[in-house]
Amino acid sequence: DAGITQSPRHKVTETGTPVTLRCHQTENHRYMYWYRQDPGHGLRLIHYSYGVKDTDKGEVSDGYSVSRSKTEDFLLTLESATSSQTSVYFCAVRQVLLGDTEAFFGQGTRLTVV
Amino acid sequence: AQSVTQLDSHVSVSEGTPVLLRCNYSSSYSPSLFWYVQHPNKGLQLLLKYTSAATLVKGINGFEAEFKKSETSFHLTKPSAHMSDAAEYFCVVLKAAGNKLTFGGGTRVLVKP
Repeated sequence: DAGITQSPRHKVTETGTPVTLRCHQTENHRYMYWYRQDPGHGLRLIHYSYGVKDTDKGEVSDGYSVSRSKTEDFLLTLESATSSQTSVYFCAVRQVLLGDTEAFFGQGTRLTVV
Repeated sequence: AQSVTQLDSHVSVSEGTPVLLRCNYSSSYSPSLFWYVQHPNKGLQLLLKYTSAATLVKGINGFEAEFKKSETSFHLTKPSAHMSDAAEYFCVVLKAAGNKLTFGGGTRVLVKP
């Protein structure tokens, strides 16, 4: 699992409240990603990071922000949660070694916005 | 623009028969391509990957895939399906010189006894 820990694993929150999900890795990988998984849509990229303080938007970034102040942590924040953000969120890290690359995924965070 | 398209959202096979999951990608240069599997209520596991070495790639659990640049395809196959292969499968592309990992929509495989 490349030492990836997502927290919390489950969360129920109310509409309009802020929520922060944490992805922690222990392998010092440069690249980290946040996805959401919804039925019929596969996994869609929210934001990704290619280094400390270096982040970029994915295809479904509206309503989300991210921060990466340390190599090991990539935080995803929902500034004001909405019901449409009810989803399962996956964090991934990408290893690059001698030109080869592979991504490893966390176990997911199930978020319910009521 | 869609970078990767999985042509079948659902595939149903009988146990012991071949499995074919189709994936097409769009990229100007040879990308890196991956197949991941997700069993119900589980995380994602890498089956195999293509990163510009041999075009026929063998993965875990008897799966293999062939990179065909002329067809921009990376179809996943297995000669004989097992009940444990029932899961959702994702084709993933990493474009050359890019950092985004883009998923296809997924193919859910049902294996009938």
